[in-house]
Amino acid sequence: EAQVTQNPRYLITVTGKKLTVTCSQNMNHEYMSWYRQDPGLGLRQIYYSMNVEVTDKGDVPEGYKVSRKEKRNFPLILESPSPNQTSLYFCASSLYRGDQPQHFGDGTRLSIL
Amino acid sequence: AQSVTQPDIHITVSEGASLELRCNYSYGATPYLFWYVQSPGQGLQLLLKYFSGDTLVQGIKGFEAEFKRSQSSFNLRKPSVHWSDAAEYFCAVGPNDMRFGAGTRLTVKP
Repeated sequence: EAQVTQNPRYLITVTGKKLTVTCSQNMNHEYMSWYRQDPGLGLRQIYYSMNVEVTDKGDVPEGYKVSRKEKRNFPLILESPSPNQTSLYFCASSLYRGDQPQHFGDGTRLSIL
Repeated sequence: AQSVTQPDIHITVSEGASLELRCNYSYGATPYLFWYVQSPGQGLQLLLKYFSGDTLVQGIKGFEAEFKRSQSSFNLRKPSVHWSDAAEYFCAVGPNDMRFGAGTRLTVKP
């Protein structure tokens, strides 16, 4: 089954403790992206990747890092999380940039205290 | 830059009544347009999409949307709302680096 898998689904942590949210897709997609969803703001893109070792900033990249060492994986790294990064995060993928619609993961709810 | 505006933050309709959710977009070229639904605590589900062709698009769960280029709009409609339609609805524009609207929360009264 074609899917985008995010882990963990829920996480409560504390300020400053590094964390990684993993994202994996099994569709051999080149394009992957991360979004955060906040009330009243909809989804905003954090980072995207057009292929292995090719990543670029989205609209709200501050405080986040990503890497794309393998085609299937696109982890989101919060080196020093802060409370304003408490949000619902979605990973998405598509065959290439501009291919639509994207496939979305089920989301990861992060709470940073 | 591309953007999406959903003017209504919250809409309440009675079960069985008709529904229209508004979406206005800004995009420099021919847009790809989408409506997603998110039930409480759930992920995003694609309701329908418009890429080209017929401007009236049919989706899942009895929803439809109409693309009006002259008005830069892509409003979502349903003739008769069911209680299970209560959710948050997002309009989005693409194709590259999608932009989402802020969402419209739909409440359905019995």
